[in-house]
Amino acid sequence: DAGVTQSPTHLIKTRGQQVTLRCSPKSGHDTVSWYQQALGQGPQFIFQYYEEEERQRGNFPDRFSGHQFPNYSSELNVNALLLGDSALYLCASTLAGDRYNEQFFGPGTRLTVL
Amino acid sequence: GIQVEQSPPDLILQEGANSTLRCNFSDSVNNLQWFHQNPWGQLINLFYIPSGTKQNGRLSATTVATERYSLLYISSSQTTDSGVYFCAGIRSNDYKLSFGAGTTVTVRA
Repeated sequence: DAGVTQSPTHLIKTRGQQVTLRCSPKSGHDTVSWYQQALGQGPQFIFQYYEEEERQRGNFPDRFSGHQFPNYSSELNVNALLLGDSALYLCASTLAGDRYNEQFFGPGTRLTVL
Repeated sequence: GIQVEQSPPDLILQEGANSTLRCNFSDSVNNLQWFHQNPWGQLINLFYIPSGTKQNGRLSATTVATERYSLLYISSSQTTDSGVYFCAGIRSNDYKLSFGAGTTVTVRA
């Protein structure tokens, strides 16, 4: 049973650049959420995708955007990177049948902005 | 969103000791999960427990939904139990998991 996978594992960018992170959900799941975890804090919800549409969005600027593909995989794009965007980015997947279903997380992508 | 308060923020244990971690929610939740974050950052699912009691080996959890809190019990702790423990929940009509700030557990040999 394949779990949630994310790529790349680590990424280093400079201020002003753009970055794309990728996520493949757990086998059988159709809903993907993205979270940002700053050092020493709990993860913060960015947005959730279902049926290729953004279903809910957290308190993040428009520089953060996403996409979901027909195979349920997802991308997170961040434009005009700021130093404060340095964080661990986590992807979670679940089944959409019940919005309160258990969510499973990938290993994360650690982004460093210099 | 809902506020999630975890206590204590830090816990230092001797190997073999028992401990209790607590999680309080500001509102009712229909999903409640406990995670262990390993040193590489991966969140490992421990329990999905919107209500009731569950046990998995040396770990057990209890959620009292009517009083909006959950407890995670670690018995006979081992050094491999070290790490950060998070609780998170989803309130009614919401899709996002709201996380607490975590409890950092250090188990000493």
